[in-house]
This record gives sequence, structure tokens and C-alpha cells, in this order.
Amino acid sequence: NAGVTQTPKFQVLKTGQSMTLQCAQDMNHNSMYWYRQDPGMGLRLIYYSASEGTTDKGEVPNGYNVSRLNKREFSLRLESAAPSQTSVYFCASSVGLTRRYFGPGTRLTVL
Amino acid sequence: TQLLEQSPQFLSIQEGENLTVYCNSSSVFSSLQWYRQEPGEGPVLLVTVVTGGEVKKLKRLTFQFGDARKDSSLHITAAQPGDTGLYLCAGALATGTASKLTFGTGTRLQVTL
Repeated sequence: NAGVTQTPKFQVLKTGQSMTLQCAQDMNHNSMYWYRQDPGMGLRLIYYSASEGTTDKGEVPNGYNVSRLNKREFSLRLESAAPSQTSVYFCASSVGLTRRYFGPGTRLTVL
Repeated sequence: TQLLEQSPQFLSIQEGENLTVYCNSSSVFSSLQWYRQEPGEGPVLLVTVVTGGEVKKLKRLTFQFGDARKDSSLHITAAQPGDTGLYLCAGALATGTASKLTFGTGTRLQVTL
């Protein structure tokens, strides 16, 4: 039982490049989330998917897109990376409005 | 607008000392969670408090939910180096939707020998 897995762990991009962060969970959770974590800002919600087939914007969705590929997988895409998107990205899953199970994070640097 | 403010932001103490971390808001929460995050890892849930005035203990950690369900505190007795990490509170707003869990700004704790 791996829980929530994320790939890659580290990534360096140049401004304007695109990339997709992958997330998968094996706990059969309905809800999945993408957060970014910046110093002094806590965790801010980018997008979430309450159930398979649905996605909604969180607090800071600009510059990102998501895809809920199936119940297990939820990906986050940066179409044209900007230095302001340098952050640590966490994927999480939950059963409804209960505890979040977080992945290990992806540390992204945009030059 | 940050709904949940934590204080202090940073805390460096020696092993054996006691400490309290605060989580404050002007909003009423249906429940409040505390997470601990270690370097290079994702946050891990420590406890959920649901009832106003509720106190929960987890070994040397004591969590309290304010009577009005707007604030919470985490008290650690006789801190140990293993307590080092980032402590995050997270409040669930009483709307019942999956998105409404707001995280605090975090308190970074370092416990030295």
C-alpha cells in the first residue's frame, strides 16, 4: 500500500517550458487535491477533484490545469512555467472532508 | 486573505522545554486538524478536534479547540529532537464541500540537544 505517490521529486524548468506533475493514490479515495507550499504561506489549494470526472479551482489556479484521469490519478500541468511557480507541490487525497493524505512532494524550480 | 494565522512562525528550543503553538482565525470551523511535516516529506495528520472546548492528548502533545471553534492550540511537554518539524493547523469550514479545508501559515519547530 504505497498511499499517495508523486513524480518527479525534483524538476528544474526554464521560463516558458511546460511540464506535467503526476499523482496517484491506491487508497480508493474519491477526492484528490493539488497544493503548493511556499515559505510563510502554508499550503494553498490550486485545484481539486471531488470525485472522478469533476475538477474545480482552488485559491490559486492561474497558470495551471489539471486532469482527473481516473479514480487513482490526478495530474497537474504547467503550460508555460514562470518563476512565480517555483514552489513545492503536494498532491493529496481524502474521503470527503476528512484527513488529507499527502504525497512526498515535487520541488520545482523555474529559472 | 489568510484565514488561519499561526504563532509563533519559528521556535527554537532545547530538549526538555515546554512550548505552545497557537492557531487563530475570525472564522468558525466545523473541525480543526493538526499536521506535522518533516523535511522532504508531506504533512501527516496528528489529530482532529471537532467539539468546542475539546482537549485531545497524543503522548506529550495536547491539542485544544477553542470554545467558539475559532482557534486552537498545541502544547508540547518536554520537547524532544524528534518533535522537530513544521506544524500546520487546518480548519474545515462548515460548508461541507471537499475543497473547504484551509491551512494555517505554519510553525517551524526546532528542538536541539
